[in-house]
Amino acid sequence: DAGVIQSPRHEVTEMGQEVTLRCKPISGHNSLFWYRQTMMRGLELLIYFNNNVPIDDSGMPEDRFSAKMPNASFSTLKIQPSEPRDSAVYFCASTPRGGNQPQHFGDGTRLSIL
Amino acid sequence: QKEVEQNSGPLSVPEGAIASLNCTYSDRGSQSFFWYRQYSGKSPELIMSIYSNGDKEDGRFTAQLNKASQYVSLLIRDSQPSDSATYLCAVGIYGGATNKLIFGTGTLLAVQP
Repeated sequence: DAGVIQSPRHEVTEMGQEVTLRCKPISGHNSLFWYRQTMMRGLELLIYFNNNVPIDDSGMPEDRFSAKMPNASFSTLKIQPSEPRDSAVYFCASTPRGGNQPQHFGDGTRLSIL
Repeated sequence: QKEVEQNSGPLSVPEGAIASLNCTYSDRGSQSFFWYRQYSGKSPELIMSIYSNGDKEDGRFTAQLNKASQYVSLLIRDSQPSDSATYLCAVGIYGGATNKLIFGTGTLLAVQP
């Protein structure tokens, strides 16, 4: 079975550019999560969706960050404009709805903003 | 107070020994607990889930849960150099529309050959 699929795996871009990260959750999973991981702050939850609806975006650091989930099989995380401090590994995870379920992570996108 | 706390380590153990990783959490209503393993440069990988007080064993891994003490641990028997990784403790927060995991900052385990 295919796991959570993220693209791109690596992204290097200059400050001020728009960055779009993509995620395809596991088929049948109803909840999708976006995380950011850095050495300093560890794994931080940015936003999550249940049945394509954003539930909690309190972790989104600034208005420069936005996320959408137009359908059950696709989500994007966008940063516009990007800044060097946004450099991190961004993970997407999914889980079946219903509570008490573990999350399954994608391979992540390593983002470097120059 | 952090919601999920772990000792950052590094925890160094010799090959063949038992590694003991600990985690405390603040929300008494938490019902689900998970251990993830993360190798350097890789994504977190689920290795154990536990929901009830007591021990749960899976191969060389044993998860222990004590809800009264708000404590969960992971024991790795016969530690191998391939077990060297960061171990993340995660606690489930559920209620209404809320279903999320709160992660600790992880414990770095180094198994010395």
